[in-house]
Amino acid sequence: ETGVTQSPTHLIKTRGQQVTLRCSSQSGHNTVSWYQQALGQGPQFIFQYYREEENGRGNFPPRFSGLQFPNYSSELNVNALELDDSALYLCASSFGLAGGQNTQYFGPGTRLTVL
Amino acid sequence: QQQVKQSPQSLIVQKGGISIINCAYENTAFDYFPWYQQFPGKGPALLIAIRPDVSEKKEGRFTISFNKSAKQFSLHIMDSQPGDSATYFCAASRLYPYGGATNKLIFGTGTLLAVQP
Repeated sequence: ETGVTQSPTHLIKTRGQQVTLRCSSQSGHNTVSWYQQALGQGPQFIFQYYREEENGRGNFPPRFSGLQFPNYSSELNVNALELDDSALYLCASSFGLAGGQNTQYFGPGTRLTVL
Repeated sequence: QQQVKQSPQSLIVQKGGISIINCAYENTAFDYFPWYQQFPGKGPALLIAIRPDVSEKKEGRFTISFNKSAKQFSLHIMDSQPGDSATYFCAASRLYPYGGATNKLIFGTGTLLAVQP
């Protein structure tokens, strides 16, 4: 186990709704990255937060937004849900933005189903 | 330039055999190449990683071979066991990103490994 926790484990929403996913980073880590993993695919980078600031964003629309809190936990918010948003959402924590100590450790993920 | 191509898509190996998974990348700025193992219902777990200043790294039964000129790297699982049955992802990133880049991981599409007893 990595020490990265995510909640909820599973979530079912309908199109157009909004969802908030949560992540607690591993102790000592100050960076959280979010990834979307569609069925049968590799994870795709959504964005990264470092010390409460967004530090880089992948090819995802603005309806995907996030927050990082002073304790370095993080939230991923998705507005106006679409069917294609159905996926496993993974959070990864690490220390810093560069160097050999920034190995990313993943949580178990939140399985989101949009009907 | 950001893609990582992984093959094969699936692999069946007999217990005790060698499992080999291959990846190729395009962006020469990548300088960190980890392999992740993912079991159903779990997040990816780091297995082993390599930097391009070495051609091979071994940890137990797992070995990464790296060919910088060909921009290819591979995972070898020696003495494969049924417990190794999982999906394996290669990835690439930049250890020291600059100019607005991040250390985001670019993943391959995954290889589903089944080790038969």
